[in-house]
Amino acid sequence: AQSVTQLDSHVSVSEGTPVLLRCNYSSSYSPSLFWYVQHPNKGLQLLLKYTSAATLVKGINGFEAEFKKSETSFHLTKPSAHMSDAAEYFCVVSPGTGRRALTFGSGTRLQVQP
Amino acid sequence: GAVVSQHPSWVICKSGTSVKIECRSLDFQATTMFWYRQFPKQSLMLMATSNEGSKATYEQGVEKDKFLINHASLTLSTLTVTSAHPEDSSFYICSAPGLAGDGQFFGPGTRLTVL
Repeated sequence: AQSVTQLDSHVSVSEGTPVLLRCNYSSSYSPSLFWYVQHPNKGLQLLLKYTSAATLVKGINGFEAEFKKSETSFHLTKPSAHMSDAAEYFCVVSPGTGRRALTFGSGTRLQVQP
Repeated sequence: GAVVSQHPSWVICKSGTSVKIECRSLDFQATTMFWYRQFPKQSLMLMATSNEGSKATYEQGVEKDKFLINHASLTLSTLTVTSAHPEDSSFYICSAPGLAGDGQFFGPGTRLTVL
């Protein structure tokens, strides 16, 4: 069994300040973990993925996430928010290599204030 | 990178009619595809796993007779919402897994509105 918990439903930051979106997971297997972003009325875009290689994963658009097994966490960070980062972010877990069905977190809506 | 397309991107239909949604992998083969549903301001929920050449596997609580899935080829899976009702209005998204470690590739989604 697997599950993922996104600790914040909404996060609001000012442009240029750091972003932290929190995610905790539970999995019976060695999981693959992903962060996806969804802009309004758009499809899902993969930001980054962890698949048992380096624990610090760098993704697109300056985002990165650190896999911490001891804390069962996979928080998403970005040093400086941009207006275009405003969107819905999903933390996702999958058993093994990610070829099986994904389990989505409830999502975090990121607002970026000018 | 791998591309998954969906058609149509949006559809409006009358209550009681059936609607077919197509999911295609454009530059790779997919023996398995997944269908998700997303209600407004909610997360994606897995509905079913579509398997090429065999029956789909449905998640608990999803009516297989209402949501018909056909995976007729290695690049096409279809979801047919039969006798649609307003409560079926949602955003339907398909995905296909890439190579090991690539995660999955998502279609752009189909917004269904049942009047």
